[in-house]
Amino acid sequence: AQSVTQPDIHITVSEGASLELRCNYSYGATPYLFWYVQSPGQGLQLLLKYFSGDTLVQGIKGFEAEFKRSQSSFNLRKPSVHWSDAAEYFCAVRAGGSYIPTFGRGTSLIVHP
Amino acid sequence: DGGITQSPKYLFRKEGQNVTLSCEQNLNHDAMYWYRQDPGQGLRLIYYSQIVNDFQKGDIAEGYSVSREKKESFPLTVTSAQKNPTAFYLCASKPSEGAPGTDTQYFGPGTRLTVL
Repeated sequence: AQSVTQPDIHITVSEGASLELRCNYSYGATPYLFWYVQSPGQGLQLLLKYFSGDTLVQGIKGFEAEFKRSQSSFNLRKPSVHWSDAAEYFCAVRAGGSYIPTFGRGTSLIVHP
Repeated sequence: DGGITQSPKYLFRKEGQNVTLSCEQNLNHDAMYWYRQDPGQGLRLIYYSQIVNDFQKGDIAEGYSVSREKKESFPLTVTSAQKNPTAFYLCASKPSEGAPGTDTQYFGPGTRLTVL
């Protein structure tokens, strides 16, 4: 069975600082991996996804993520955080052949001015 | 504009009442999903439907029911059997397998249900 762990419940950064949100997954083969962002009281918006190929994936809003098979990780990064990036971030994994993704519990990003 | 709409945005219910949450999509997607979101617990799958007139239980289906009579619509009923229904409910849809974009779910804006 597939599973996802987001070890950090909250992350606090200063505006302009770099950001890395961690995501670890459990699945035997290469899964489909996703990062979503959710603003308060809103639905989820897809930031980026990885299926195969280049392990460094570029997404919207200046985000990128790197797939590391040896570490079963898919960490999300941004070089310089803006106050508008404050939101909840979800990592998700979907096994090939499965219709249903599994979501992590989310990481809440707080941005200090 | 294509997208997913959920209504109402806020819903209040008295204990013992059934309530139905609406989810409509005009993306021509075959698959639709209902998730429940509680603080610190991420998204948990309630029901999903791959095609019209067919649906399957997710991880937390007890106390909920759905129907899929039309491709565009996937309403969720929260019954009085649901012990703790206060939560944020998200609907999502996805193209069928083999279609462009089939790998990605698209989410609605959500409905916040509060039981008084």
